[in-house]
Amino acid sequence: EIVLTQSPGTLSLSPGERATLSCRASQSVSSNYLAWYQQKPGQAPRLLIYGATSRATGIPDRFSGSGSGTDFTLTISRLDPEDFAVYYCQQYGGSPRTFGQGTKVEIK
Amino acid sequence: QVQLQESGPGLVKPSGTLSLTCTVSGGSINSSDWWSWVRQSPGMGLEWIGETYHSGYTNYNPSLKSRVTISVDKAKKQFSLKLTSVTAADTAVYYCAREAVAGIMIGFDYWGQGILVTVSS
Repeated sequence: EIVLTQSPGTLSLSPGERATLSCRASQSVSSNYLAWYQQKPGQAPRLLIYGATSRATGIPDRFSGSGSGTDFTLTISRLDPEDFAVYYCQQYGGSPRTFGQGTKVEIK
Repeated sequence: QVQLQESGPGLVKPSGTLSLTCTVSGGSINSSDWWSWVRQSPGMGLEWIGETYHSGYTNYNPSLKSRVTISVDKAKKQFSLKLTSVTAADTAVYYCAREAVAGIMIGFDYWGQGILVTVSS
């Protein structure tokens, strides 16, 4: 099983600032099948990035993904008030599918 | 626009069986996509339970495999989850989700709203 470790646990930033979230895998993610999701309270996760770098349909271009192998990054170039939420990485290159423990982006 | 909707009891007794159904609308369950169950609890975060294909092929998380059955009913455009011998540790919000395949795998692009299942006597 691939274990995903996200850092930091909490990121305190102001609107307009840049957010950089990290996800490290315990072994290489096959085909870079790494996704990022955003989750707000009481809602299901929302797919932001797939294949490590591709934005899902309707996702603003301030969200970008990078990385390969075992190290991946989600960057939010300028935080919008609606971006304060919990973010999860997930690998779907192997079974079982696994998720990171999440990074909370909170308003400073 | 694909929509997924979970249904089933919100309360299950310890040692009982948790049974949930996900109804797919706005799209075909016979597509190249996979249909999954994911749960979320405060202690365990997001946990993938397993998946099914329209052919009936299934794939389960080894941590739950001995207790899980996922099945598909193409005529009703539904897939279902059964989890046996439940304990309080199985209390969670259960989501159904589509793992999209469009030449390449996309990840979980559509999710149900989630259903809270509490295990308690």
